[in-house]
Amino acid sequence: EIVLTQSPATLSLSPGERATLSCRASQSVNRYLAWYQQKPGQAPRLLIYEASNRATGIPARFSGSGSGTDFTLIISSLEPEDFAVYFCQQRITWGATFGQGTRLDLK
Amino acid sequence: VQLVESGGRLVQPGTSLRLSCAASGFTFDEYAMHWVRQAPGKGLEWVSGISRNSRSIAYADSVQGRFTISRDNVRNSLYLQMNSLRGEDMALYYCAKANDRRAFDSWGQGTLVTVSS
Repeated sequence: EIVLTQSPATLSLSPGERATLSCRASQSVNRYLAWYQQKPGQAPRLLIYEASNRATGIPARFSGSGSGTDFTLIISSLEPEDFAVYFCQQRITWGATFGQGTRLDLK
Repeated sequence: VQLVESGGRLVQPGTSLRLSCAASGFTFDEYAMHWVRQAPGKGLEWVSGISRNSRSIAYADSVQGRFTISRDNVRNSLYLQMNSLRGEDMALYYCAKANDRRAFDSWGQGTLVTVSS
């Protein structure tokens, strides 16, 4: 099973700041890496697929990069609604795995 | 796109439960579908997936042999038959639509399965 490790576990920032979230895979997933945002009491929302493609309706301040085993999600300038938990997910085979999540807290 | 899960409830360990997901707003038989669960206060865990024609099916090791995924493309519905339920199966179960880029682009609001004696 491919393990995804996200860092940091918690990130405390202020609105307007830049957020950098990392996801490392235990083996190559090519570019089959997605990012999701989840707010309390809500289902996850797809942000990025195939490492760097923004999903429909996702603002341009969200960007993804990486390939192989190392991936990054950047939020260029945090808005109040961006404080949430972020998960990465891979699906290089039929089964999927998720990272443990990064909580983005308001500082 | 709308995905509406149902069937979750309180059950005793060792018993069975069947979850359903009613899909609308898209051509159901053109997309693979998956179940993802989330234990209270925890992260996301992929449970099972099924291809659009049901020819390809996969399960997480944690549910292999106990859970069965199926779909009915006439009724636009996805199912998860869960047998021999354990305490660690207690979670909010989401139905998720897969896009053709191996990501889950639409999610339901989930149905809660509680396993307790």
